[in-house]
Amino acid sequence: AQSVTQLDSQVPVFEEAPVELRCNYSSSVSVYLFWYVQYPNQGLQLLLKYLSGSTLVKGINGFEAEFNKSQTSFHLRKPSVHISDTAEYFCAVRRSTGFQKLVFGTGTRLLVSP
Amino acid sequence: GAVVSQHPSWVICKSGTSVKIECRSLDFQATTMFWYRQFPKQSLMLMATSNEGSKATYEQGVEKDKFLINHASLTLSTLTVTSAHPEDSSFYICSATTSGRFTDTQYFGPGTRLTVL
Repeated sequence: AQSVTQLDSQVPVFEEAPVELRCNYSSSVSVYLFWYVQYPNQGLQLLLKYLSGSTLVKGINGFEAEFNKSQTSFHLRKPSVHISDTAEYFCAVRRSTGFQKLVFGTGTRLLVSP
Repeated sequence: GAVVSQHPSWVICKSGTSVKIECRSLDFQATTMFWYRQFPKQSLMLMATSNEGSKATYEQGVEKDKFLINHASLTLSTLTVTSAHPEDSSFYICSATTSGRFTDTQYFGPGTRLTVL
């Protein structure tokens, strides 16, 4: 089975500062990794995903994430955040073969203040 | 592309009544749809997976007789909460995926907030 740990429940930052949201996963098989963003009372929007290839993945809204197999991590980064980035961010994992069940972390609330 | 809609976006009902939530893929054919439940300030928990034309597969601990899922076509899945009670109040989110161009990505609907009085 797969599991995801997002250690930070909330990350407060000032506007234009860099941010890193941490995600660690556990799996005995090869996995795909995802970051989703959820704005209040809305569904999830895919930010980026790692399937294979380059370990540095660029997504929408200026976000990027790096897959580190040895550390089983997939941290999300943005060099300069905006007020509009305030949202809940979920890291998710699924097996790279077979059933597409996504396992989500508990989420990290990014709070950007002026 | 890859838009998933849900209807209604919110619903309030009395205890004991049934509520149906629709999930539609608007611009692609969804061979598989997923239903999630999200409690306030918590993560998404997969309730069930439905494949078009087949019975849904429920996750452990989810009552299949209470949460009826029907995936009658490649663009529509419905979740019916039968005899709803206040503890069923939650945010229900569906997602859809298909093979080909959208392989390996689940596209999520905007969610339905259910409040049972």
